[in-house]
Amino acid sequence: SQQGEEDPQALSIQEGENATMNCSYKTSINNLQWYRQNSGRGLVHLILIRSNEREKHSGRLRVTLDTSKKSSSLLITASRAADTASYFCATDAHNNDMRFGAGTRLTVKP
Amino acid sequence: ETGVTQSPTHLIKTRGQQVTLRCSSQSGHNTVSWYQQALGQGPQFIFQYYREEENGRGNFPPRFSGLQFPNYSSELNVNALELDDSALYLCASSNPDRGYYGYTFGSGTRLTVV
Repeated sequence: SQQGEEDPQALSIQEGENATMNCSYKTSINNLQWYRQNSGRGLVHLILIRSNEREKHSGRLRVTLDTSKKSSSLLITASRAADTASYFCATDAHNNDMRFGAGTRLTVKP
Repeated sequence: ETGVTQSPTHLIKTRGQQVTLRCSSQSGHNTVSWYQQALGQGPQFIFQYYREEENGRGNFPPRFSGLQFPNYSSELNVNALELDDSALYLCASSNPDRGYYGYTFGSGTRLTVV
C-alpha cells in the first residue's frame, strides 16, 4: 500500500514559473524524501528532510515539512523545461522500506 | 564511485515462466531494495536486503523472492509469471549505517509478460 499521496496529480506551467507539489502521508515518519523520475526510468534522489526539520533548501528546491498535518511540499523555483518529470515523495515505514506516492507529473513548457 | 546497474534493461516472458533480474549496488552500499512500478503508478516496495538478509517485505506473494550476495549485488526472482507482473522493476541501494537514508536507483528492468 502507498503511504504518501502527491497533489496535484498533474501540473503544467510555463518556463520561469514556480511549481509547488504537495505530499500527505498517514503514519509517523523519521524522514521524508523527494525523488524525480524522467520518462519511466530510475528515480533520482532530490532531497531528504528529517522529522525534526521544518524546511530545507537545495539549489532551486525548497521542501517544507509539517508533521502535525502529516504533509510536505516541494517548491521548484524558476522552472526549466528540463524539470519536466514525475515527482514522488517517499516516507520511511516500519519494515525498513520507503513508501512512495503515485507522483505528480510536472510539465514545464518552454 | 559507480552507480546502481540493473540487467537486463528489457525482457519479454511468457505467462507461467520464471525470471531473474539482477542489480549491482553502488559502491559502499550494503542495503538493496526492490520495487515494482506499474505504468502511471508510484513504486511499490517488494523487499529489502541488508547484509545478505531479508530486512523487510512488502505485500507481494512468495513467488517473488530475492538474494543478496557478499558483494551486496542482488537478484529478484519471480516464479509463475502472471500478466499483471508486467512492470518496471527498480533496484535501489543505500547505506543506513553511514547515517544516510537516501536511495540510489538503477534505471530499471522493463518486464513484459505475454
